[in-house]
Amino acid sequence: QKEVEQNSGPLSVPEGAIASLNCTYSDRGSQSFFWYRQYSGKSPELIMFIYSNGDKEDGRFTAQLNKASQYVSLLIRDSQPSDSATYLCAVNVGSSASKIIFGSGTRLSIRP
Amino acid sequence: DTAVSQTPKYLVTQMGNDKSIKCEQNLGHDTMYWYKQDSKKFLKIMFSYNNKELIINETVPNRFSPKSPDKAHLNLHINSLELGDSAVYFCASSRRTGTENTEAFFGQGTRLTVV
Repeated sequence: QKEVEQNSGPLSVPEGAIASLNCTYSDRGSQSFFWYRQYSGKSPELIMFIYSNGDKEDGRFTAQLNKASQYVSLLIRDSQPSDSATYLCAVNVGSSASKIIFGSGTRLSIRP
Repeated sequence: DTAVSQTPKYLVTQMGNDKSIKCEQNLGHDTMYWYKQDSKKFLKIMFSYNNKELIINETVPNRFSPKSPDKAHLNLHINSLELGDSAVYFCASSRRTGTENTEAFFGQGTRLTVV
């Protein structure tokens, strides 16, 4: 089992709709979770981080964490064409030698 | 003022050559990483350093040798380059709080092409 799993997509969402991106992880001890956005040819940029169970909102973005189910998601409201990118879920795994592990990413396409 | 900067941005070289990529961060972070992103866009961790000490080595071939002269710099030297080494290499850094690392900030990447 991969440490961090995402559907590769592509996920196609009409402009103005809600895009929902999902991620599961295998390390039950993980405490820190991150969502990154990567445009083609660019480096990953942090969108949100979440440490506690529940929802965390920042503008049009909402991260949701359920540690019991080992599941983290990202909702993008009022999707814009500029949201079209690959979204990477990342998890801090390990204990004393913790490392940030990435999922394979979900390609999101917002159609006008 | 770039937070994590790596050079060069592009590197084209022949098989068998030796090359280096440099990385510097001015964020005051304790932890630095090298990641490799292949053609399928999978971002795989290679090495992690904390305060100049190697913490993580993810079964990377011995041809890859990281060096951290101080906690703001992490360089990657690659010997005897192979075609399969072609990828984008990202340097990143994060702050360490206790046993956890905060979010990682990435450099702009180095696109390595081995011909």
